[in-house]
Amino acid sequence: KNEVEQSPQNLTAQEGEFITINCSYSVGISALHWLQQHPGGGIVSLFMLSSGKKKHGRLIATINIQEKHSSLHITASHPRDSAVYICAVINFGNEKLTFGTGTRLTIIP
Amino acid sequence: NAGVTQTPKFRVLKTGQSMTLLCAQDMNHEYMYWYRQDPGMGLRLIHYSVGEGTTAKGEVPDGYNVSRLKKQNFLLGLESAAPSQTSVYFCASSPGGNSYEQYFGPGTRLTVT
Repeated sequence: KNEVEQSPQNLTAQEGEFITINCSYSVGISALHWLQQHPGGGIVSLFMLSSGKKKHGRLIATINIQEKHSSLHITASHPRDSAVYICAVINFGNEKLTFGTGTRLTIIP
Repeated sequence: NAGVTQTPKFRVLKTGQSMTLLCAQDMNHEYMYWYRQDPGMGLRLIHYSVGEGTTAKGEVPDGYNVSRLKKQNFLLGLESAAPSQTSVYFCASSPGGNSYEQYFGPGTRLTVT
């Protein structure tokens, strides 16, 4: 069993839809990182959070430490949101990330 | 600021050849990392460094060596390339201390034939 699991693996939606991507982990963590990988390959940091909720534009990330679960939401989705979204956790006691395999999101105009 | 840069962007090697990938960051970050990304798998840590002159093994270190002689540079070497090392390689850096947010380079696509 992977330490970090994401669902769904693939998601296709119409422009304007509300998107939710889920991340579950099995270890104690100090923080969780949401990343976006564009079709061209570049990886961009979206959020780093250790509790509660963070919002940036149309993106919202939440985390529930007790349930070992995080969600990334996209409101009013747009074709430019099409990318792979990656969840990664920072384990207690070290400075390394453990990554999920990513969720491929496609937004159709 | 250029952020994190990687050289080269693409490379094709024959089995047994050697090469060095260069990662440079201009953010004065303490920590640097080398990852590989393969289809259907999450990013996997090869080696990392928590400061100038220090290196440590990650999840998949075999076949690779690293050096961090200067704080801003982190080199990844392949002494004798194998087809199993065909992958996309990403470098990342983070400030360290209590800040673990990582900043990624654009990647290097390596093919070993």
